[in-house]
Amino acid sequence: EDKVVQSPLSLVVHEGDTVTLNCSYEVTNFRSLLWYKQEKKAPTFLFMLTSSGIEKKSGRLSSILDKKELSSILNITATQTGDSAIYLCAVLLGGSQGNLIFGKGTKLSVKP
Amino acid sequence: GAVVSQHPSRVICKSGTSVKIECRSLDFQATTMFWYRQFPKQSLMLMATSNEGSKATYEQGVEKDKFLINHASLTLSTLTVTSAHPEDSSFYICSALGLAGGVEQFFGPGTRLTVL
Repeated sequence: EDKVVQSPLSLVVHEGDTVTLNCSYEVTNFRSLLWYKQEKKAPTFLFMLTSSGIEKKSGRLSSILDKKELSSILNITATQTGDSAIYLCAVLLGGSQGNLIFGKGTKLSVKP
Repeated sequence: GAVVSQHPSRVICKSGTSVKIECRSLDFQATTMFWYRQFPKQSLMLMATSNEGSKATYEQGVEKDKFLINHASLTLSTLTVTSAHPEDSSFYICSALGLAGGVEQFFGPGTRLTVL
């Protein structure tokens, strides 16, 4: 059974802290791994990772994929209260349907 | 960027009635659309994958006869909640994969369904 596991499930930090969110997966036909940030409604796309070892960055956020370990991390440096959200990891499967398998998410709370 | 719309954005209905939610890709063609359901303070749950011109693929535990999905064109997928009950009240979100092998998903704004 394909599955995506995120850890921790929730995390509380203070502004300025650096956080690392983890995502591991077990799927039969891996294509890409995606990270989303969800605040109120539909998730906002952050990164798509397909190749192992290549870091993607966007401002204070960065992410990298390790295909050998079947995992990915999402780093957020110098956290701000606006970073508070649920961070979703999803694996896009190969094949014509391109199904997404979501993790349960990590709820990040950044306190002032 | 690509835009996906949903209609209606909010619907309130009586128990036992059916509700149709539309998901449209406004400026691109989407061969594949996904329907998600979200409960308060929880992560998204994928309900089904909708492919243009073929039957939807439902996730385990999702009743296909209750949540009817039709993807009649490259820009429109519909989700019909049949004989809705209060436990069906939720936030339903669709997303679309772009054509030509694009893997980024474009999410709709969601539809809030409340069943009285």
